[in-house]
Amino acid sequence: TQLLEQSPQFLSIQEGENLTVYCNSSSVFSSLQWYRQEPGEGPVLLVTVVTGGEVKKLKRLTFQFGDARKDSSLHITAAQPGDTGLYLCAQSTHNNAGNMLTFGGGTRLMVKP
Amino acid sequence: EAQVTQNPRYLITVTGKKLTVTCSQNMNHEYMSWYRQDPGLGLRQIYYSMNVEVTDKGDVPEGYKVSRKEKRNFPLILESPSPNQTSLYFCASSLTGYFHTEAFFGQGTRLTVV
Repeated sequence: TQLLEQSPQFLSIQEGENLTVYCNSSSVFSSLQWYRQEPGEGPVLLVTVVTGGEVKKLKRLTFQFGDARKDSSLHITAAQPGDTGLYLCAQSTHNNAGNMLTFGGGTRLMVKP
Repeated sequence: EAQVTQNPRYLITVTGKKLTVTCSQNMNHEYMSWYRQDPGLGLRQIYYSMNVEVTDKGDVPEGYKVSRKEKRNFPLILESPSPNQTSLYFCASSLTGYFHTEAFFGQGTRLTVV
């Protein structure tokens, strides 16, 4: 199973600051998803990126897929306390039996007011 | 409301006592899966099912069983739970098992095995 590495593992910032979190692999992704998980809840999909070099924006969140499709980043502008949570990247791998979704270890973000 | 429902939300049990965690989805999804989430290890896939009567092992299947007799239900069975199975468990479903489809997660089951 392809290993997904996320960095940093933890990030604590003040409201209004910008931040970037990363998701890297030694192999090529066919596609990559970013999820956000709040305490006591299951992860919720934020975005799926498919094409190398693709950039997607979701309000203050900007997602980028590397040209070689081996890395992705999530940039948050002017972070707010509501952005606090665990950010997970995930990718699908397919074999003869079916499909597996593999997650990175996550970046735990805390935004202080 | 479209959702994935897991029960129970919390469970404390003793080593060796068989238990089942239920998962049900009302979105007519083909693909369902189980994950466990442990600090520093992220979400790891236990088992998945591409459709009724089609299941396969994920990354960490040891000590778990699943069945998919109906499309909407995908129970997770621990025949003889051990303390190393103490974890937060999530069930998820997707429209299909192919690339790019969104996974919808339940709210989780926090299991403690003593």
